[in-house]
Amino acid sequence: AQTVTQSQPEMSVQEAETVTLSCTYDTSESDYYLFWYKQPPSRQMILVIRQEAYKQQNATENRFSVNFQKAAKSFSLKISDSQLGDAAMYFCAYLFGNEKLTFGTGTRLTIIP
Amino acid sequence: SAVISQKPSRDICQRGTSLTIQCQVDSQVTMMFWYRQQPGQSLTLIATANQGSEATYESGFVIDKFPISRPNLTFSTLTVSNMSPEDSSIYLCSVGVRGQGRTEAFFGQGTRLTVV
Repeated sequence: AQTVTQSQPEMSVQEAETVTLSCTYDTSESDYYLFWYKQPPSRQMILVIRQEAYKQQNATENRFSVNFQKAAKSFSLKISDSQLGDAAMYFCAYLFGNEKLTFGTGTRLTIIP
Repeated sequence: SAVISQKPSRDICQRGTSLTIQCQVDSQVTMMFWYRQQPGQSLTLIATANQGSEATYESGFVIDKFPISRPNLTFSTLTVSNMSPEDSSIYLCSVGVRGQGRTEAFFGQGTRLTVV
């Protein structure tokens, strides 16, 4: 069975600085998707960034980028120029086949003004 | 993309009663997913709902406790039955959308359930 591990329950970063959230996963598949979701106190799940496993190039969305290491099964999220609005729970998620997501345990990110 | 309208957004219920949560999607989708998020925890899949067939439940979840309906390709309901305080959680519905070589999951706004 697929598993997703986020080893950092909480992280904090100074506003305007850069922070990296870690995620590792376990799978025997070769073609799958990885996601980072943000969940603010409103509890809405917001997609931050997606990575297709068959693509070697790391995904980037504005201030958000990933470091995807397929062989190591690692998928970290880098947030540059952190903003107060980035404060939220961040979940790493894995998807294969029938669109059922497997989530990590989450990392609570605090932005220090 | 897909827009999901989920309601109610929150409710406070008496133990022993039942609550039905609804999700309406603005496009036809094959599968809908129901997740539970206990306080301070991650999302756990309850079941997968296919139109025209019984839902498929994950380990630890049973149909008697969480009956699901899927009458058409745009709508589903989850009922939390005979509630106890341990059922206090956020419940979310989700759909997966494939297109243009991409796959993405979309979520409803969530239902915050408190059982007293």
